[in-house]
Amino acid sequence: DAGVTQSPTHLIKTRGQQVTLRCSPKSGHDTVSWYQQALGQGPQFIFQYYEEEERQRGNFPDRFSGHQFPNYSSELNVNALLLGDSALYLCASSRSTNEQFFGPGTRLTVL
Amino acid sequence: KQEVTQIPAALSVPEGENLVLNCSFTDSAIYNLQWFRQDPGKGLTSLLLIQSSQREQTSGRLNASLDKSSGRSTLYIAASQPGDSATYLCAVSGGGATNKLIFGTGTLLAVQP
Repeated sequence: DAGVTQSPTHLIKTRGQQVTLRCSPKSGHDTVSWYQQALGQGPQFIFQYYEEEERQRGNFPDRFSGHQFPNYSSELNVNALLLGDSALYLCASSRSTNEQFFGPGTRLTVL
Repeated sequence: KQEVTQIPAALSVPEGENLVLNCSFTDSAIYNLQWFRQDPGKGLTSLLLIQSSQREQTSGRLNASLDKSSGRSTLYIAASQPGDSATYLCAVSGGGATNKLIFGTGTLLAVQP
């Protein structure tokens, strides 16, 4: 049983660009959450998707948007990238509000 | 607003020592508490999940306790090994409409051979 997968593994962008990160949930899971982890910090909740709708959002600007597809996979989009957006982006999946399982993350570097 | 604090921020111990990592949270109305391990630049591996109705959970050399009323949890690692070196993160879930996790900043553990 494949766990949570994320792509790409690493990404380098310049300020002002846009980026899309992808996540495939664990088999049987219908909920995807995204977290941002800056260096030396704990992960911060960005938003959660369930049944293709954003169910809850953390304290992140509208530059951060997402989508969930009918197969439960999800995308995180970030527009107008800032240097401060450099971080490890983690995706977690769960069956509704049960225990979350995390993917390996995408390391985003903004130059 | 829920806040999670982990003490100490960093810890270095010799191999074989037993150790305790601490986690505290400000709002006792939690649904569950989870301990994770994170290796450098990697994702999170769940170690133990304690439901709010439970007092402790054990897995191998790991034991986690939860005291909701005082807003505290501890992770006990017995007979530490160099392979235990990693960052340990504590996170709480408030339940309700979502199971979003609120994390502490972690404890960086180094076990010296």
